[in-house]
Amino acid sequence: GAVVSQHPSRVICKSGTSVKIECRSLDFQATTMFWYRQFPKQSLMLMATSNEGSKATYEQGVEKDKFLINHASLTLSTLTVTSAHPEDSSFYICSASSAGEFGGYTFGSGTRLTVV
Amino acid sequence: GQQLNQSPQSMFIQEGEDVSMNCTSSSIFNTWLWYKQDPGEGPVLLIALYKAGELTSNGRLTAQFGITRKDSFLNISASIPSDVGIYFCAGRRVGNLIFGKGTKLSVKP
Repeated sequence: GAVVSQHPSRVICKSGTSVKIECRSLDFQATTMFWYRQFPKQSLMLMATSNEGSKATYEQGVEKDKFLINHASLTLSTLTVTSAHPEDSSFYICSASSAGEFGGYTFGSGTRLTVV
Repeated sequence: GQQLNQSPQSMFIQEGEDVSMNCTSSSIFNTWLWYKQDPGEGPVLLIALYKAGELTSNGRLTAQFGITRKDSFLNISASIPSDVGIYFCAGRRVGNLIFGKGTKLSVKP
């Protein structure tokens, strides 16, 4: 089945620094990838949708200059949290959909970001 | 953003018991999905439903796509300890998924 690899699984960074999270589709080409944020004991909230070769579409309230998304190839999307602050600490999860997939989306294993 | 109404919010299970949870929406969906999320992990797809009225099983799990296309349920039969976790429903029209708030399954003390 489809596998999505997300890296790193955990990262701790200092306030003001930037952190990059990678999401790779291992055995299929992902024309569309989604980035979610999940706070403790809450559901997944969509942050942005990225399409290979074009600009990401951000959900209302998500700062595009803070959360930079790049989807330069059919197997890799990256989320960079720029100038991170403690309030950016959260669980970030990506998911991928191939062009031929019309059902379930495959999720990565998530990245726990802690900003100190 | 829009979310689905998922219930119950939490429940305690005793090994061997059957479990049922459901999701409802005021909007129609083309696809209903059920995911399970373990702590510190991403959601894992359990069952995908594509047609109104569809009833699909995956081992001890059974899910149905409501006739109105506005609801779905998930049943777990003969629960076992490894069933604990958070279960999310998700609906899809076009593009991204809309998630329920989750049902947390815990072991009955």
